[in-house]
Amino acid sequence: DAGITQSPRYKITETGRQVTLMCHQTWSHSYMFWYRQDLGHGLRLIYYSAAADITDKGEVPDGYVVSRSKTENFPLTLESATRSQTSVYFCASRPGGSGASYNEQFFGPGTRLTVL
Amino acid sequence: GENVEQHPSTLSVQEGDSAVIKCTYSDSASNYFPWYKQELGKRPQLIIDIRSNVGEKKDQRIAVTLNKTAKHFSLHITETQPEDSAVYFCAASIKGSGGGADGLTFGKGTHLIIQP
Repeated sequence: DAGITQSPRYKITETGRQVTLMCHQTWSHSYMFWYRQDLGHGLRLIYYSAAADITDKGEVPDGYVVSRSKTENFPLTLESATRSQTSVYFCASRPGGSGASYNEQFFGPGTRLTVL
Repeated sequence: GENVEQHPSTLSVQEGDSAVIKCTYSDSASNYFPWYKQELGKRPQLIIDIRSNVGEKKDQRIAVTLNKTAKHFSLHITETQPEDSAVYFCAASIKGSGGGADGLTFGKGTHLIIQP
């Protein structure tokens, strides 16, 4: 599982500040994802990326920005953090392709973000 | 978009008994249905998955069934053990351009409690 890492693991910030959460994977997976996990909501997809420089919105993209200049990195930025963005954020990745072996998503350890 | 409903939210069973968790989905285009187990403070881990061209899949004590017509799928755990205690999430793929699981929509989770 050391193949996908997230940093920082814990972050406390204030309303209005910009925050960037980092995600790095060493498998050269084509696809990368960002989810947020909140009690009562399960995991919800924020953004995903099919390859470098290709990103797409998920279910809850408002207030977030992503970029993917390199295959192995997929940072998530909260441009002006709000209290409602307090959550646990998980990054995930999977190989490219459409066969049965390509579907499994591997999750990072998560970042617990608190916005005061 | 895709909507996944999961029931029950909490399930308590005696050790050695079976547990069944059920999910329904809304988008007939979804073709991949994974189940994740998440222990407290840990990342979600895939325990079993099924594609839409298969009706049932089994891996030791765990099985998943899929009814495409009714748009529901279920997780079955037999001979439950204390280490099965965790939160279980079902998910359904979101149709994208990549041909594979371009993001997942998750159910809200089931807290499975194994009583000794």
